[in-house]
Amino acid sequence: GNSVTQMEGPVTLSEEAFLTINCTYTATGYPSLFWYVQYPGEGLQLLLKATKADDKGSNKGFEATYRKETTSFHLEKGSVQVSDSAVYFCALSNDYKLSFGAGTTVTVRA
Amino acid sequence: EPEVTQTPSHQVTQMGQEVILRCVPISNHLYFYWYRQILGQKVEFLVSFYNNEISEKSEIFDDQFSVERPDGSNFTLKIRSTKLEDSAMYFCASSVRTPANTGELFFGEGSRLTVL
Repeated sequence: GNSVTQMEGPVTLSEEAFLTINCTYTATGYPSLFWYVQYPGEGLQLLLKATKADDKGSNKGFEATYRKETTSFHLEKGSVQVSDSAVYFCALSNDYKLSFGAGTTVTVRA
Repeated sequence: EPEVTQTPSHQVTQMGQEVILRCVPISNHLYFYWYRQILGQKVEFLVSFYNNEISEKSEIFDDQFSVERPDGSNFTLKIRSTKLEDSAMYFCASSVRTPANTGELFFGEGSRLTVL
């Protein structure tokens, strides 16, 4: 079956630091890959996605590249801001549902 | 901007009671979902719904659970006889296409269910 493993948190960073959250997956076929973000008190929002190998998703300064050879989809941002404090979820799908990772809580301090 | 709305935001119930969680998906969306997140654990898929029937459900979605789209706008999740382990945040979501077809899921803010 499908599964997603992502880096455990919590992660605490200073503003302008570099952020990486590792995500690896197990799936049959060629899944689509996603990063969702949950800001405090809000629902999950799509941050970025990639649908095939070597695609790079990007949004709000975040990037992730679909690496089929390593079955990975690591999330990166070069310079984080306090407003990036949130829970980040890696997810995949090759059917009707999303399979989520456990989530990584990121706190950015000024 | 259109959004998915969920009610109630928090419900406290006694074990064995029936609970209905309500959701209003985005109006032109065709696929509807319920997920849940037990505190400190991952977000888990419960059920997807399309064309007035369940398209997929997880092992969690047993006979105690049911979904309905009674009037073309609301999408409800019913738990017939709640158990302590049903305590969780329940998220409704909707999409134009399935996630496998890169349909973005739009999530509501969640309904927190506490079973005592």
